[in-house]
Amino acid sequence: AQSVTQPDIHITVSEGASLELRCNYSYGATPYLFWYVQSPGQGLQLLLKYFSGDTLVQGIKGFEAEFKRSQSSFNLRKPSVHWSDAAEYFCAVVPMNNNAGNMLTFGGGTRLMVKP
Amino acid sequence: DGGITQSPKYLFRKEGQNVTLSCEQNLNHDAMYWYRQDPGQGLRLIYYSQIVNDFQKGDIAEGYSVSREKKESFPLTVTSAQKNPTAFYLCASRHPGNSPLHFGNGTRLTVT
Repeated sequence: AQSVTQPDIHITVSEGASLELRCNYSYGATPYLFWYVQSPGQGLQLLLKYFSGDTLVQGIKGFEAEFKRSQSSFNLRKPSVHWSDAAEYFCAVVPMNNNAGNMLTFGGGTRLMVKP
Repeated sequence: DGGITQSPKYLFRKEGQNVTLSCEQNLNHDAMYWYRQDPGQGLRLIYYSQIVNDFQKGDIAEGYSVSREKKESFPLTVTSAQKNPTAFYLCASRHPGNSPLHFGNGTRLTVT
C-alpha cells in the first residue's frame, strides 16, 4: 500500500544544534513531496516542496530538504535550530499524475521540542 | 490578503447534536478539502470537492456531510452519527493539479 512514514514521533534538540527530520514514502514512482509545519492550535504552513530537478530544495525559515530516490526519502534539515522552530512537522506526498483528487497523503508527524 | 477562514476557532456541543463548521476561502481555488486531526496522528481526509456542486468522500466520511454551493465556501456538518467527533478540523484548498494545499487555522470541536 502507498504510504508516508515519519519514523520519529518526537525529537528534542538543543537550540543552535542541527536538525534532521526523516520522511520515507512507498510509491511506485517518484511523487510530489512537501513539508509542512504546524504550531499548536494552528493550521499547517508549507515549508517547501519538491516536484523535479535539483534534489536539494530550499524552503522558508532556513529549512531545506533533500530528495533521495534510492532511499525513497525526503528528509528535512536545518543547520541551526531556533526556539521558535518548536512545532509539529508533517511530510506529505502526492503521486504524479494526480488530478487534485484525494491522494495527498500525510505522514504521522514529528513533534520537535527545542531545549534552551 | 487572500486566505482561508475557519470559524469558530473553538466549538462545544452536546452529544447527539449536529454541528456545522464553516470554511471560506478567497484564493479563487477550485478544490477544497476537510481533514480531521487527532492527537499524535496525521491528517485524515474527510471530504473533498474539486468543483462547485460536486464532492467526494475521503477516507473517513462516515458521520459527516458537506455542501459546495459556492466556490468560496465548503461547510462541514458533523452529525450525531459520528461516533468520536471531538477533534481538530482543518479546511484546505488548492488550485487544480499538484499545487500545495493552503490551510485554515482550524476549528477545535469538543463534544460532551
